[in-house]
Amino acid sequence: QQQVKQSPQSLIVQKGGISIINCAYENTAFDYFPWYQQFPGKGPALLIAIRPDVSEKKEGRFTISFNKSAKQFSLHIMDSQPGDSATYFCAASPGGGNKLTFGTGTQLKVEL
Amino acid sequence: NAGVMQNPRHLVRRRGQEARLRCSPMKGHSHVYWYRQLPEEGLKFMVYLQKENIIDESGMPKERFSAEFPKEGPSILRIQQVVRGDSAAYFCASSPPSGFGSGYTFGSGTRLTVV
Repeated sequence: QQQVKQSPQSLIVQKGGISIINCAYENTAFDYFPWYQQFPGKGPALLIAIRPDVSEKKEGRFTISFNKSAKQFSLHIMDSQPGDSATYFCAASPGGGNKLTFGTGTQLKVEL
Repeated sequence: NAGVMQNPRHLVRRRGQEARLRCSPMKGHSHVYWYRQLPEEGLKFMVYLQKENIIDESGMPKERFSAEFPKEGPSILRIQQVVRGDSAAYFCASSPPSGFGSGYTFGSGTRLTVV
């Protein structure tokens, strides 16, 4: 019940295209859903996060869509760029909690 | 603002030795978290500490692993009698008392290799 399932495992997108990564969870106590970006040899960096009181949050080219009834959330990267090539992790945390449960990651490659 | 500092960046230990990983939180952050990342996997929570207190150690292996965050100095993750399966990247994060809302920042990690 603590798992966060992430797909796809890897993704190749053409420059300018839309990258879409999906996550699903079971634990209804989760109420904070961040996405992290990780480059090789670096720690994860917070990209964007959402709480279940909204269905969508947009920051620049990055959008989180959240479906509370389906217990799913996704990251959309618009106008994908080669510099977006990295590993992306979804995560979740219960209300009042301070620990994150991570998905298994998606390796994104944006080709010219 | 130097961010979360972890050292060493790379650590090689022989089986049976001890590994000590250090984490200095961001200035103003009093909460520290340790995560482990195995190859091709996501990060797994290990332990959450405040100064001189372990708040949640539900992800820590029962044996050989310990963590501390003393009143002065960095947080230390200690692995005794390391085995090959301990080879992983260990990440530390820190946050202010308010937790996620005000920033939960990861360091660049310590890559432990057990030979």
